[in-house]
Amino acid sequence: QKEVEQDPGPLSVPEGAIVSLNCTYSNSAFQYFMWYRQYSRKGPELLMYTYSSGNKEDGRFTAQVDKSSKYISLFIRDSQPSDSATYLCAMSESNFGNEKLTFGTGTRLTIIP
Amino acid sequence: DTAVSQTPKYLVTQMGNDKSIKCEQNLGHDTMYWYKQDSKKFLKIMFSYNNKELIINETVPNRFSPKSPDKAHLNLHINSLELGDSAVYFCASSSGNGYTFGSGTRLTVV
Repeated sequence: QKEVEQDPGPLSVPEGAIVSLNCTYSNSAFQYFMWYRQYSRKGPELLMYTYSSGNKEDGRFTAQVDKSSKYISLFIRDSQPSDSATYLCAMSESNFGNEKLTFGTGTRLTIIP
Repeated sequence: DTAVSQTPKYLVTQMGNDKSIKCEQNLGHDTMYWYKQDSKKFLKIMFSYNNKELIINETVPNRFSPKSPDKAHLNLHINSLELGDSAVYFCASSSGNGYTFGSGTRLTVV
């Protein structure tokens, strides 16, 4: 069993829909949780960064962390065609600057105009 | 102004050859990493350096050797390339609030 599990999709939704992306994990030492967006043939870019349990909102994006269930989510409101990409969850035990990130396998998302 | 830059972007080479990938960051971060992304998009850490010192060395064949001449540069040298080394290699840097990735080097071994 992988440390971080993520539904690979692909996931296709119409423009304007709310998208929900999820990851589960097994390592209870994870404290820092991230979502990265990766466009085709590009490097991953950091979307959301959260510590411990709770919600964080940034524009159309909301990240949720439930450490008791070992479950994290990313919600995208009013989805746009430009949101079409692969979304990777990632997590680490520390944030001292030399932390190792453990990634999910990524969910490929397509927003249909 | 590119924050993390890698060269080359594409690399096609024959089995048995030796090749290097270079990475430079201008963010002032102390830590740099090499990650490998396979054909299924799974990203796995290979190495990390903090201020030129090797911190993380995952289970990677000895044919892979990272070198950090200074904290802004982290290069990856690969000896005796094999077909299974074909992947996208990403360099990244961090200061503790998530990574900044380069755009990747797509290595194809034929």
